Amino acid sequence: KQEVTQIPAALSVPEGENLVLNCSFTDSAIYNLQWFRQDPGKGLTSLLLIQSSQREQTSGRLNASLDKSSGRSTLYIAASQPGDSATYLCAVGPTGNQFYFGTGTSLTVIP
Amino acid sequence: EPEVTQTPSHQVTQMGQEVILRCVPISNHLYFYWYRQILGQKVEFLVSFYNNEISEKSEIFDDQFSVERPDGSNFTLKIRSTKLEDSAMYFCAVDRVAGGRETQYFGPGTRLLVL
Repeated sequence: KQEVTQIPAALSVPEGENLVLNCSFTDSAIYNLQWFRQDPGKGLTSLLLIQSSQREQTSGRLNASLDKSSGRSTLYIAASQPGDSATYLCAVGPTGNQFYFGTGTSLTVIP
Repeated sequence: EPEVTQTPSHQVTQMGQEVILRCVPISNHLYFYWYRQILGQKVEFLVSFYNNEISEKSEIFDDQFSVERPDGSNFTLKIRSTKLEDSAMYFCAVDRVAGGRETQYFGPGTRLLVL
């Protein structure tokens, strides 16, 4: 069974810092990996989708990389802002029909 | 542009009552999925649905749960007799419009509170 782990569980940084969130998964047989943002009590906002054949994807200040062979992905956030404060979820799949989610990294950006 | 919407956004119910959560796809999709997220926990897969049949389900999806597409468009999740532990955010997801299963688009969720 696919296991997805995210480190750190929580992160607090001052505004303007660059930061890296980590995601690891145990089964490298994936179609793709998605990074989501979740605000408290809200739904999932898809940030970046990396297909298994890709190494990275970029959107604005966000860059996600994928190393399928080692079972790792990172989400890089440049020049962090208070509005980036949220929980960031990594999801891999699908394996069979389902996506497997990590428990997330709770990010706080301090003004 | 969202691929899928969900109704209601919030629902409060008494333990033992039946609830129906609805997923409304914007375009034609072939695959439908339900996930749930108990507060503070991981998003977990419940069930997938294709061609009017369940194609895969998790151990969470017991006899209290059922899914259907009653009008060929909306996709529903029914919980027959809710328990306190059913309180969670429920997400519907759909496949790519092209019909591939390479990824899933998630709806905004329904927050269910069972009292």
